[in-house]
Amino acid sequence: EVQLVESGGGLVQPGGSLRLSCVASGFTVSSIYMSWVRQAPGKGLEWVSVIYSGGSTYHADSVKGRLIISRDNSKNTLYLQMNSLRAEDTAVYYCARYPANSGRAFDIWGQGTMVTVSS
Amino acid sequence: DIQMTQSPSTLSASVGDRVTITCRASQSISSWLAWYQQKPGKAPKLLIYKASSLESGVPSRFSASGSGTEFTLTISSLQPDDFATYYCQQYNNYFTWTFGQGTKVEIK
Repeated sequence: EVQLVESGGGLVQPGGSLRLSCVASGFTVSSIYMSWVRQAPGKGLEWVSVIYSGGSTYHADSVKGRLIISRDNSKNTLYLQMNSLRAEDTAVYYCARYPANSGRAFDIWGQGTMVTVSS
Repeated sequence: DIQMTQSPSTLSASVGDRVTITCRASQSISSWLAWYQQKPGKAPKLLIYKASSLESGVPSRFSASGSGTEFTLTISSLQPDDFATYYCQQYNNYFTWTFGQGTKVEIK
């Protein structure tokens, strides 16, 4: 079964760090584009970052330099390293698969993990 | 950045109604538009990709059309399971994707 399972969310103080994980099953993360999308409480969806199959990464301007996407091919796992966290980073974070070759958008999503930035 | 604007923000409808949601892009995105359904506490679910292609397993009462800057999602006969929030998303630019603000479909 094709599946994504996130973990690592929690409560962190402003300025703190956190690392989110997204374990994939049923496909290989290194063969496809993978992204993080977040949703602040009661708000809409915001794209955060992407890692291409070739390894190139891109991040939204709002998180550039603070949130960093990466992957571990041996563990078939996607990561989001979150540094210098701010209150406005409080959100549910979803990992999502983007099979660009098929023309389809984000077709598989994880269940989400909540990050709360508060003192 | 490409801005996506959905209308209406909230829609009240009854079971059996035909419902249409509009999404406008601030510049042409060709047909690189997707529609998602999201229910409270759940992840978004892909309904439509490439503006009008129905994702596998999605009921045929969902349809969509458009290209360039104007797009629509239509539910031909609203079912109880369809009350949710719907988002459009452009994926024309390879490293900056944007979503509409969402349209909540409520029970009238």
